[in-house]
Amino acid sequence: DIQLTQSPSFLSASVGDRVTITCRASQDISTYLAWYQQKPGKAPKLLIYAASTLPSGVPSGFSGSGSGTEFTLTISTLQPEDFATYYCQQLNVFPRTFGQGTKVEI
Amino acid sequence: EVQLVESGGGLVQPGGSLRLSCVVSGFTFSNFDMNWVRQAPGKGLEWVSYIGSSGSPIYYIDSVKGRFTISRDNAKNSLYLQMNSLRAEDTAVYHCARGRVTRNFDSWGQGTLVTVSS
Repeated sequence: DIQLTQSPSFLSASVGDRVTITCRASQDISTYLAWYQQKPGKAPKLLIYAASTLPSGVPSGFSGSGSGTEFTLTISTLQPEDFATYYCQQLNVFPRTFGQGTKVEI
Repeated sequence: EVQLVESGGGLVQPGGSLRLSCVVSGFTFSNFDMNWVRQAPGKGLEWVSYIGSSGSPIYYIDSVKGRFTISRDNAKNSLYLQMNSLRAEDTAVYHCARGRVTRNFDSWGQGTLVTVSS
């Protein structure tokens, strides 16, 4: 199985900060990587797919990059509503594994 | 509006069975692959199972192979997860999620809680 390791696992930040989360895959997954945002008690929300594509409706302050085994999610200017947990997921092969999550806290 | 609504969760004893359902609306169900994803209390997301738009192919995470069965009824816009021989470690909120050909899960249900305990 492909393992995804996110860093950091916890991140303390302030409104207005630039935040970067890294996701490393145990083997090459091309650009078959998605990022999700989850708030407590809510379903995950798709933020980015194909490593760098934003679905319609996702604020432009979110961006993704990377290919192969190393990927990043960047929030350019942290907004109050961005405090949440973020997960990466590989969709190159089954099982469709997730990273362990990164909790962005105030 | 795309909607996915899960049901069927509850408290069950170890070794017991449950059948989860996910009823969808707002899109042509038969055109989409579907997935089950679970989240144990206070833990991260774990993909459980996948089913293609016409009922195949099917994939499972190793820990549920031989115990869980995914299925769908396209005429009823419904996805199912039959869970047998349940264990304490299966305790989680189970979400159904729509898969896209662009390889992502773009719509999720709110989930149904399964608690396995004596």
